[in-house]
Amino acid sequence: GIQVEQSPPDLILQEGANSTLRCNFSDSVNNLQWFHQNPWGQLINLFYIPSGTKQNGRLSATTVATERYSLLYISSSQTTDSGVYFCAVEPGNMLTFGGGTRLMVKP
Amino acid sequence: ETGVTQTPRHLVMGMTNKKSLKCEQHLGHNAMYWYKQSAKKPLELMFVYSLEERVENNSVPSRFSPECPNSSHLFLHLHTLQPEDSALYLCASSQGTGTGNTIYFGEGSWLTVV
Repeated sequence: GIQVEQSPPDLILQEGANSTLRCNFSDSVNNLQWFHQNPWGQLINLFYIPSGTKQNGRLSATTVATERYSLLYISSSQTTDSGVYFCAVEPGNMLTFGGGTRLMVKP
Repeated sequence: ETGVTQTPRHLVMGMTNKKSLKCEQHLGHNAMYWYKQSAKKPLELMFVYSLEERVENNSVPSRFSPECPNSSHLFLHLHTLQPEDSALYLCASSQGTGTGNTIYFGEGSWLTVV
């Protein structure tokens, strides 16, 4: 099956810093989504982005489908950004999740 | 609030117990899912229901038994579980199961098997 790798696995930032999270996938996909899981387990959908670039406030994402990667940018990070960020891809019609990037933003 | 509600949020059960997890979605979606999230592992898809019919079962042990009585409700019946089944169980829903459907997750049920 398709492989989804996220990097870095762990990231510690000082509040206000910017960061880039990466998601590589091993095959063509029809769908790519980014999620944020807060410390209590809630998964929130951030972006549906099979290709191109989208922005939502301090977050933006870019997917280059032909090169099989996606990037999630977090600018001016806040402590509430802490948690785990997952990308999930859909080669067929079921999502396959990566291992996540665990982010801690320190005040 | 994502429109997907799971109960209970926390459950501790013995290996001989029988319990159930409940999920309800208020989004008018036609597809519902159970995922398992264990420590240090990616989310694993367990079951998918579309219009109340099971369309995917990822080789899940029979001690996990799903039930979808209607498109808004999904249950996961648990019996004779093992300690390694301790995990966060996430319910999700989407409009359909085809490409392009955004998936919405509940808050999860933390299960501990003792």
